[in-house]
Amino acid sequence: QSVLTQPPSVSGAPGQRVTISCTGSSSNIGAGYDVHWYQQLPGKAPRLLLYGYSNRPSGVPERFSGSKSGTSASLAITGLQAEDEADYYCHSYDSSMTVLFGGGTKLTVL
Amino acid sequence: QVHLAQSGAEVKRPGASVKVSCKASGYTFTAYYIQWVRQAPGQGLEWMGVINSSGGTTSYSQKFQGRVTMTRDTSTTTVYMEVSSLTSEDTAVYYCARSQYYPTTDYYGLDVWGQGTTVTVSS
Repeated sequence: QSVLTQPPSVSGAPGQRVTISCTGSSSNIGAGYDVHWYQQLPGKAPRLLLYGYSNRPSGVPERFSGSKSGTSASLAITGLQAEDEADYYCHSYDSSMTVLFGGGTKLTVL
Repeated sequence: QVHLAQSGAEVKRPGASVKVSCKASGYTFTAYYIQWVRQAPGQGLEWMGVINSSGGTTSYSQKFQGRVTMTRDTSTTTVYMEVSSLTSEDTAVYYCARSQYYPTTDYYGLDVWGQGTTVTVSS
């Protein structure tokens, strides 16, 4: 199982704000390794959404933001839209010398 | 534009090997690493390893150590990943993805992904 723990699912109505947590430990997020977030639409390859916790690549709307606190990171989506319905994954490195992905969170737009 | 084009779907028997290619274009090939990530049906993302496109050095997930080999051909800007001793548990979509740095100091994440290659292992 993933060492980065995400909720299996979250949901929200259009226009609302949702957050997705990514809980790690002192050997990954807490050790200072960067966290990145990806969005995966059904049947598609993942797409980089945020890098270095909170930086948006070109083309990613400002509605997506990220933060870190201790051994956890969070992705927030404001002004929820139907097109945001997807799976979201966090990604970091662990001092056990491996790359980690969270288990993924399915976002449903009600 | 920057693009990673992967080879087509494969069907293999248990015990066989599969070699997936990932052709890079639109950027300086040797300035980036290529990482491989797989996704079993209905499951999450799983990291397999990384190759330095310049020097060819590799690092593999302990889970795949001894069963995965990553290589690169700078003349064709192509990275290859071979998985041996396949079982049904290797049935998955395999992705290559680009990173600017080695995973320990990877500030920019996996910014470009291939379209994925479906590998089905079945008798």
